[in-house]
Amino acid sequence: KNQVEQSPQSLIILEGKNCTLQCNYTVSPFSNLRWYKQDTGRGPVSLTIMTFSENTKSNGRYTATLDADTKQSSLHITASQLSDSASYICVVRPPYGGSQGNLIFGKGTKLSVKP
Amino acid sequence: NAGVTQTPKFRVLKTGQSMTLLCAQDMNHEYMYWYRQDPGMGLRLIHYSVGEGTTAKGEVPDGYNVSRLKKQNFLLGLESAAPSQTSVYFCASSYSGGETLNTEAFFGQGTRLTVV
Repeated sequence: KNQVEQSPQSLIILEGKNCTLQCNYTVSPFSNLRWYKQDTGRGPVSLTIMTFSENTKSNGRYTATLDADTKQSSLHITASQLSDSASYICVVRPPYGGSQGNLIFGKGTKLSVKP
Repeated sequence: NAGVTQTPKFRVLKTGQSMTLLCAQDMNHEYMYWYRQDPGMGLRLIHYSVGEGTTAKGEVPDGYNVSRLKKQNFLLGLESAAPSQTSVYFCASSYSGGETLNTEAFFGQGTRLTVV
């Protein structure tokens, strides 16, 4: 079983609408949890990072939340724009130290924003 | 400031051929990584390096070799390409590997490799 599972696998929304992407993880505790945005044909770019003790983190129209009790993180996108069309990847870093080689990547949610 | 640059961007290989993917970063980062990304799967770590002259195996190292002769460069080699190595390869670098915000990895644009 994948330690980081994301849902939905894909999502289509209309421009201007809000949406929420989910990330369920089994790694607990962890050092940090990141959300990355990956545009088609590009490498991932970090949107937010939260430590185990944080509940929410915002970056413009992107707001990530974390519920350590239910082991869930959400990425909420407000007033979506066409440029939000991308894959969004949840990444968890386990607490047992070492290099970033220990990161656990989710498979991503592919978001399409239509005009 | 170019960040992380990968060359080439696209390549088609025949089974059994060899090639080297080059990753260069200009951020003076200590840590560098090679990942592969396949449809329906998360990014998987192939090899990584925690500093010049050092390399280590990741999750899926078989069939690949790496070298970090200079701090700014990290090379990924395929000695005898196989169709199973058809994938998109991403290089990344980070300032440190510790539990801080500096752990953020900066990714290159990727290399799309097809082995026929």
